[in-house]
Amino acid sequence: AQSVSQHNHHVILSEAASLELGCNYSYGGTVNLFWYVQYPGQHLQLLLKYFSGDPLVKGIKGFEAEFIKSKFSFNLRKPSVQWSDTAEYFCAVMVNAGNMLTFGGGTRLMVKP
Amino acid sequence: SQTIHQWPATLVQPVGSPLSLECTVEGTSNPNLYWYRQAAGRGLQLLFYSVGIGQISSEVPQNLSASRPQDRQFILSSKKLLLSDSGFYLCACSSGTKLFFGSGTQLSVL
Repeated sequence: AQSVSQHNHHVILSEAASLELGCNYSYGGTVNLFWYVQYPGQHLQLLLKYFSGDPLVKGIKGFEAEFIKSKFSFNLRKPSVQWSDTAEYFCAVMVNAGNMLTFGGGTRLMVKP
Repeated sequence: SQTIHQWPATLVQPVGSPLSLECTVEGTSNPNLYWYRQAAGRGLQLLFYSVGIGQISSEVPQNLSASRPQDRQFILSSKKLLLSDSGFYLCACSSGTKLFFGSGTQLSVL
């Protein structure tokens, strides 16, 4: 079965700092990759997704992620974070053969104003 | 588009009491349905998924059960809650590769 690892459990940044959150998965076949965000008191929302094509994916709110197949990674990046980016971020993998999402453990980001 | 209704939003229950969380879906038919749990300090864990009425698969052994009495209804239950059942429970629905989430239920078992 596939697994997803997010090595940073808590990240604290100042506004305007650059962000990179790591995500690695273990599955040798074709995968669909996702980043979800959960703002305090709100639902999970989809930030971006990768199915195929350009491995550099642009999402909402200035986020992007790069799929590196050889490294089994799908790291999330943002050049300049804002206080409003404070949230918990989840990486997820969906194996092509089914619709089940496997989530990583989540990374809690706090951006200090 | 799909809409997921999940209730209640918060619930405080004593140890040993029963549990029933309900999730209903609108805007789609024959969806795959899921129950996830987010325990404090841990990530989202898939508890159950269902590909059709009466078809339930359990991902982890636990004190909970799930049922799907109708195509767009998914119920999470327990006969006797444990302290360790505390957490945030999310219902989800998938159509193709799109996944939609309910608003979640924060369960505190005291």
